[in-house]
Amino acid sequence: GIQVEQSPPDLILQEGANSTLRCNFSDSVNNLQWFHQNPWGQLINLFYIPSGTKQNGRLSATTVATERYSLLYISSSQTTDSGVYFCAVLGGRRALTFGSGTRLQVQP
Amino acid sequence: DTGVSQDPRHKITKRGQNVTFRCDPISEHNRLYWYRQTLGQGPEFLTYFQNEAQLEKSRLLSDRFSAERPKGSFSTLEIQRTEQGDSAMYLCASSPGLAEGGNEQFFGPGTRLTVL
Repeated sequence: GIQVEQSPPDLILQEGANSTLRCNFSDSVNNLQWFHQNPWGQLINLFYIPSGTKQNGRLSATTVATERYSLLYISSSQTTDSGVYFCAVLGGRRALTFGSGTRLQVQP
Repeated sequence: DTGVSQDPRHKITKRGQNVTFRCDPISEHNRLYWYRQTLGQGPEFLTYFQNEAQLEKSRLLSDRFSAERPKGSFSTLEIQRTEQGDSAMYLCASSPGLAEGGNEQFFGPGTRLTVL
């Protein structure tokens, strides 16, 4: 099956800093989603981005499907951005395959 | 609240007992998914429904697990003869399944199962 790798696995930032999270996948995909998992376990949809670039406030994402990677940019980070960020892809099947996540801690 | 809902949010049970979880998808979403997440890992796919038909099951779904979606609306996931290894967060998701963006999945808050 399709493999999804996320980097870095852990990231500690000072409030106000910018960061880039990366997601590599091993095969062509029909869908790519970025999620933020809050401390209570809820997965919050950030982007549905099988290709191209999208922006939502301080967050933006770019997927280069031909090169099999996606990037999530967080600018001017806030403590509320802390949590785990997951990339998930939909390949030939209907279910998402998730990466192992990037654990972000934003310190005041 | 029009999001995906799950019940219960937490379940503690003793090894060997049966448990059942419920998921109510977003209204008019015809696809429903169950995932399992263990500590420190990303969610892993268990099973998928299109309306009332169960179309795909993961190898993770042993014969102690059964899922239903009898009327194409809510779904239940039952685990029989629970084992300590079943302790995990069980997540439900739904997607529209139609038109552009139909593959985008939306997740419920999860049911956290602890097997003692």
